[in-house]
Amino acid sequence: NAGVTQTPKFQVLKTGQSMTLQCAQDMNHEYMSWYRQDPGMGLRLIHYSVGAGITDQGEVPNGYNVSRSTTEDFPLRLLSAAPSQTSVYFCASSFSNNREQFFGPGTRLTVL
Amino acid sequence: EDQVTQSPEALRLQEGESSSLNCSYTVSGLRGLFWYRQDPGKGPEFLFTLYSAGEEKEKERLKATLTKKESFLHITAPKPEDSATYLCAVYGGATNKLIFGTGTLLAVQP
Repeated sequence: NAGVTQTPKFQVLKTGQSMTLQCAQDMNHEYMSWYRQDPGMGLRLIHYSVGAGITDQGEVPNGYNVSRSTTEDFPLRLLSAAPSQTSVYFCASSFSNNREQFFGPGTRLTVL
Repeated sequence: EDQVTQSPEALRLQEGESSSLNCSYTVSGLRGLFWYRQDPGKGPEFLFTLYSAGEEKEKERLKATLTKKESFLHITAPKPEDSATYLCAVYGGATNKLIFGTGTLLAVQP
């Protein structure tokens, strides 16, 4: 099993550009989530999904969109990048929302 | 407000010097407490889940315990390869979402 994979590993954007961060898992997990990690602030939940076709907002959803058309994939879209979105983004999956989550390797995003 | 606080922020130990990391939480209706290890430039790696007060889990030199207000991660005779950031997360409370602490950066010197 590859586990949770994320692409790209690094990305530099200009303010106002849009992009999609990809996330896939091969563990047949129903629950998937996106976090951002900033120095001194811990991991903060952006969006999550409890199954294909179902998504919901987390703690910091503004400026991000998600969709879940399959069990395996959970892409995160930045609509119009801002410098405040410079961060490291992690995707995670688990069997359910009160079980251990398995994290991907992360995407380091810089917005200029 | 649901909150998770980890202490200390950073800890430096000599190889073999045992110590404990603390995770205190103010979450009503705890449904799970999780410990993760994170190495620089990598995603968090799952270590333990604890569900109820009094529960303990062990793995090699690590032992996690849980009370109604806090959890401890005990590190016995640590080695340099135990150096990492250790994250605590709690599931439950008003939002029923996973809340992470800011972590403890552990450095074990040979």
